[in-house]
This record gives sequence, structure tokens and C-alpha cells, in this order.
Amino acid sequence: DQQVKQNSPSLSVQEGRISILNCDYTNSMFDYFLWYKKYPAEGPTFLISISSIKDKNEDGRFTVFLNKSAKHLSLHIVPSQPGDSAVYFCAASPLDGNEKLTFGTGTRLTIIP
Amino acid sequence: KAGVTQTPRYLIKTRGQQVTLSCSPISGHRSVSWYQQTPGQGLQFLFEYFSETQRNKGNFPGRFSGRQFSNSRSEMNVSTLELGDSALYLCASSLGTRGNIQYFGAGTRLSVL
Repeated sequence: DQQVKQNSPSLSVQEGRISILNCDYTNSMFDYFLWYKKYPAEGPTFLISISSIKDKNEDGRFTVFLNKSAKHLSLHIVPSQPGDSAVYFCAASPLDGNEKLTFGTGTRLTIIP
Repeated sequence: KAGVTQTPRYLIKTRGQQVTLSCSPISGHRSVSWYQQTPGQGLQFLFEYFSETQRNKGNFPGRFSGRQFSNSRSEMNVSTLELGDSALYLCASSLGTRGNIQYFGAGTRLSVL
């Protein structure tokens, strides 16, 4: 039972354009969401997070949007740069203070110069 | 500030053997979580330790176990290795309170032959 889904295994975007990565979840108990970026042979690196009390959070070129009614979140990267090429994972954790993160299967983003 | 350190980086074992992986968290972090990453499966939660106690557990067989020491360092043990245990094992540390970000190590790549 995949509670966090990233339905696009891969995405290619031209350098300078906007990259939009999507994530859907099914568990209504999730209330804290994170995005991680992963390069080959390295561990995931934290990018940005959002709590369910917000619908948007920005950090530089990265913005995360949360639509609770649709159980959907998205990560926008503007403008996209070659160094953004990596696998992106969304993750969620529940209301009960549990530290367990449930991850999606990832989206491989390729930025085309 | 040093990051999360995992040792060894690579391991080759044969079926039936056992293996111990080590994780040193970021200084001051009391929570250590372990994840298994296999191709196409994303990151699957194994367990979380906080102040030397297992606080959360994922859906893995009892062959997978762990412990945490008083200095917050953690070890994960897999007994009676199977071919399907070949994976990247990641550990993450955090302060252990609600909404804290988990920071990942580079992982241990385990190959079971």
C-alpha cells in the first residue's frame, strides 16, 4: 500500500524554465511534508518542508505547495539549473509525533542545458 | 558541524551470513532512523531509536534489528542474509521532537551474493 505516490518516474526540463514535481498521499493523518534531493552515491539532502497549517512555503528557488483537500503537494523549482538534476523524493509524517517518514518512490529530474 | 557518518560504505556478504552497520548521528541529535532503499521501492522505514529505546518500527522481519548507545550512535544488524537484502541502507538523525528534519548519511551499500 503506497501511501505516498510520485507518479512521474522521470521529468526533463530546459535550463532556466520551471520544474514542477508532484506528489500525492492517501493517509489523512499525514500533516508534515518534506522534499529531499538525492545524487547517486550520496544520501538524500533535505530541501524544503511544509506543515499542514500552511499551503505554501518558499526558500529561494524552491517553493512547495500543499493542497490538503486534494491530498496533493508539489515542488516548484524556478529557474531550473543543471545542478538540480537529481532524484527528488517527497516524504510525509503523521500527526502523532511519530518520527517515521513515509517516502514516495522518487522522480528523476534532468535539466537540459 | 560534522554530518551523519555511516560505516562501512560498501559491504559484500554471502547468503546466511550476518552483518552489522554503524551510524554516528549529528552531535546533539538523539533520534536515529534507518531506511532501506531498493530500486523502484523508494525508501522503506526500518526503525527509529530515541534515547537508546526503539520508538518506532517498520514492517520488516525480525532478522533486522538495531540498537542505540548512550552517545546516540546506532547499529543495525541483519542476520541470516538473503539475496533480497541487497540494498542501500541509510540512516538519518534528528533532534527527535515533532517536525524536526531528518538528516541522512551517505549510506552503506550491501551486496548479498
